Amino acid sequence: KAGVTQTPRYLIKTRGQQVTLSCSPISGHRSVSWYQQTPGQGLQFLFEYFSETQRNKGNFPGRFSGRQFSNSRSEMNVSTLELGDSALYLCASSPRLTGSTDTQYFGPGTRLTVL
Amino acid sequence: GQQVMQIPQYQHVQEGEDFTTYCNSSTTLSNIQWYKQRPGGHPVFLIQLVKSGEVKKQKRLTFQFGEAKKNSSLHITATQTTDVGTYFCAGGANNLFFGTGTRLTVIP
Repeated sequence: KAGVTQTPRYLIKTRGQQVTLSCSPISGHRSVSWYQQTPGQGLQFLFEYFSETQRNKGNFPGRFSGRQFSNSRSEMNVSTLELGDSALYLCASSPRLTGSTDTQYFGPGTRLTVL
Repeated sequence: GQQVMQIPQYQHVQEGEDFTTYCNSSTTLSNIQWYKQRPGGHPVFLIQLVKSGEVKKQKRLTFQFGEAKKNSSLHITATQTTDVGTYFCAGGANNLFFGTGTRLTVIP
């Protein structure tokens, strides 16, 4: 099976702009989670979508939002970008067989730089 | 809120030496997972432990889940340069909390 894919791989934006990141999960996986990775804060959970519904949400401001489509593909949006939003954004899919703490299969990530 | 801490944050070892990273959770975990992230890469799942006191081995890697299911360890015997990367533990109830990670450097 093909792995998790994320587009774009790299993105440069300026403060105040908004950005949309895309994630295609492994075929058959219905759960998609998003994580933010920074050197200072490590790997932090943003939110999880399952069957087009947000199931869990991490401790991030409302500027961070997401959605999931009927084919399980997911998008993440960040509005009014701040310098501190510069990070590697990782998407992970899972079959969610036993719950929201199933094994996560990560994509390569989108490296977002905010200038 | 739940916290998952790992120590040490960094570890430099000579090739052939052993390496251990420790993971501690502020709450009891239903299971613990370990991931490895190579430099410039993304986290890759290594293993999941579920039972109290469980020990699993993968070649030179030994994983252990504590009796109270609040701590875990990863031990690598005779490190190789291919072991370089950051090792994360992860656990949680409603979503996975990832540990702070231990970055391993192996000096040839």
